[in-house]
Amino acid sequence: NAGVTQTPKFRVLKTGQSMTLLCAQDMNHEYMYWYRQDPGMGLRLIHYSVGEGTTAKGEVPDGYNVSRLKKQNFLLGLESAAPSQTSVYFCASSHKPAGTRTFEQYFGPGTRLTVT
Amino acid sequence: GNSVTQMEGPVTLSEEAFLTINCTYTATGYPSLFWYVQYPGEGLQLLLKATKADDKGSNKGFEATYRKETTSFHLEKGSVQVSDSAVYFCALSNPQGAQKLVFGQGTRLTINP
Repeated sequence: NAGVTQTPKFRVLKTGQSMTLLCAQDMNHEYMYWYRQDPGMGLRLIHYSVGEGTTAKGEVPDGYNVSRLKKQNFLLGLESAAPSQTSVYFCASSHKPAGTRTFEQYFGPGTRLTVT
Repeated sequence: GNSVTQMEGPVTLSEEAFLTINCTYTATGYPSLFWYVQYPGEGLQLLLKATKADDKGSNKGFEATYRKETTSFHLEKGSVQVSDSAVYFCALSNPQGAQKLVFGQGTRLTINP
């Protein structure tokens, strides 16, 4: 199993350009998440999905859109990139085994995005 | 709302030293608590977790106890190694719904030989 993979690993954009980050998981997980990691701020949740065809806003959703057309993929889009979106982006997935109170999120390796 | 506060870093120790990284939280209800570790250039990995008061999570020599009375989940290890150098994140989630994680700011740990 590859686990959670992210494409691309690095990207540089100019202000106003658009791009899509792809997250894929091969663990058949129901839940998927997008986070951004900034120095001194830990990880903050951008958007998440509890199943194919569903998405919801997290803590910092402005300037981002997401789609979950297939269970294994979760796409994060930036329609008009801004320097404030320079960050490292992490995708995660999880599922909740029956009879358990909580579950583990599995993280991808990250995408480093720079917006100039 | 829910929040997590971690001890400020960076932390630098010598090999075989005792490690404590403090973590306190604010949450409604009865959250689950986690420690994640991020090695250089990698994503986060779950290190340990606890789901109810007085639970002790442990893994790879690290331990943390869920203390509801002090709203804390401090990470400890009796004898650190150079390979423990990483960034450590404390996090919480509420057990209902999508179990979104709320992270602390992270603590960078460097172990010198």
